[in-house]
Amino acid sequence: GAVVSQHPSRVICKSGTSVKIECRSLDFQATTMFWYRQFPKQSLMLMATSNEGSKATYEQGVEKDKFLINHASLTLSTLTVTSAHPEDSSFYICSARGLLPLAGVSYNEQFFGPGTRLTVL
Amino acid sequence: ELKVEQNPLFLSMQEGKNYTIYCNYSTTSDRLYWYRQDPGKSLESLFVLLSNGAVKQEGRLMASLDTKARLSTLHITAAVHDLSATYFCAVNAGGTSYGKLTFGQGTILTVHP
Repeated sequence: GAVVSQHPSRVICKSGTSVKIECRSLDFQATTMFWYRQFPKQSLMLMATSNEGSKATYEQGVEKDKFLINHASLTLSTLTVTSAHPEDSSFYICSARGLLPLAGVSYNEQFFGPGTRLTVL
Repeated sequence: ELKVEQNPLFLSMQEGKNYTIYCNYSTTSDRLYWYRQDPGKSLESLFVLLSNGAVKQEGRLMASLDTKARLSTLHITAAVHDLSATYFCAVNAGGTSYGKLTFGQGTILTVHP
């Protein structure tokens, strides 16, 4: 259980185009989804937090008009990189948090997707 | 603001040796995670530590948590090449930011013969 998928796994696009990345929780309902960005040889940096049915909360320094996040259902969140530029090239990882039963006790844990490698030419 | 610091950032080990990675964090938290990341891949969950004194072991890796010192350790016993990867600790934020994870810088571990 607790599987999170991302699509696409890899995308190459031209500068100025928009790219949509999907994050799905396959076997649980995700009350919250998180989007992270990771540049080569660096750590993960949280970009935004999204709760189903409400607007995303962006971290300081992240442009909300450039990185559009939609969390329309309890199993799907999308990140759209608008007017992408080479400096947006990065590894984007989503995670989903939901209630999962463990030994009869529900707890709130976060599970990571496999990531999307974005290259903007 | 929650800060998480790992050390060392780079660790080159010989096979068969033992070593420890340290993770310090700046504010109270109710849980701490250790993850492994292989090149080009996402995160693999290793451990979640929930309480002071918690110790968890899986194979050659053992993680512990001291909430009073705000310190977690990841101990590697008799390292093997397959353990080569980047290891991250991450701390759960509290208060209104509950659920947000702050990551350490990562420790790049290379195990060589």
